Amino acid sequence: GNSVTQMEGPVTLSEEAFLTINCTYTATGYPSLFWYVQYPGEGLQLLLKATKADDKGSNKGFEATYRKETTSFHLEKGSVQVSDSAVYFCAHIRSSGGSNYKLTFGKGTLLTVNP
Amino acid sequence: SQTIHQWPATLVQPVGSPLSLECTVEGTSNPNLYWYRQAAGRGLQLLFYSVGIGQISSEVPQNLSASRPQDRQFILSSKKLLLSDSGFYLCAWSFGLVVDEQFFGPGTRLTVL
Repeated sequence: GNSVTQMEGPVTLSEEAFLTINCTYTATGYPSLFWYVQYPGEGLQLLLKATKADDKGSNKGFEATYRKETTSFHLEKGSVQVSDSAVYFCAHIRSSGGSNYKLTFGKGTLLTVNP
Repeated sequence: SQTIHQWPATLVQPVGSPLSLECTVEGTSNPNLYWYRQAAGRGLQLLFYSVGIGQISSEVPQNLSASRPQDRQFILSSKKLLLSDSGFYLCAWSFGLVVDEQFFGPGTRLTVL
């Protein structure tokens, strides 16, 4: 079946540290991949996305590359800030036709960045 | 531009009481609409989706129901709440079903006591 597995948190870093949050997926077909971010007390916002193999999504200093061979979409940022503290969700949705429209989320990873 | 609203923002209800959460979208027509529940430590679970007025699909059997009385209005209901219904409920919309980004509302925190 379709699923998304991301590293369990919480992750605690100091400001300017390097961030990696691992995400792997299982899916039939060729899903589009997403990272969503949820700041405290708010809904989810799309952070970045990639729709085909080897695509790199990027936004606000975050990057993730669609790796079909390893079925991964790891999130990275070279230098985190306190304002990056949030819960990060990896997700996928099928890009081919059919009735499988569902956006499948990982369980989320809580990131706390300390000054 | 499009906006999505949810209310109430927080709700505390006793077990066995009814529930009605409302979601509205502005600035677009005929959106696809979704209800998710976010339980602690369990990620997001899709509860219902709708592709048009009166068209509701349920993803998981549960104590909840959804309705879409107008194009941009999506309502989540229950006749009798259970303790297990506690959680953070998120409404979302998208332009299309398959690959499109979904845009989320601010959420409703429901506590059932």
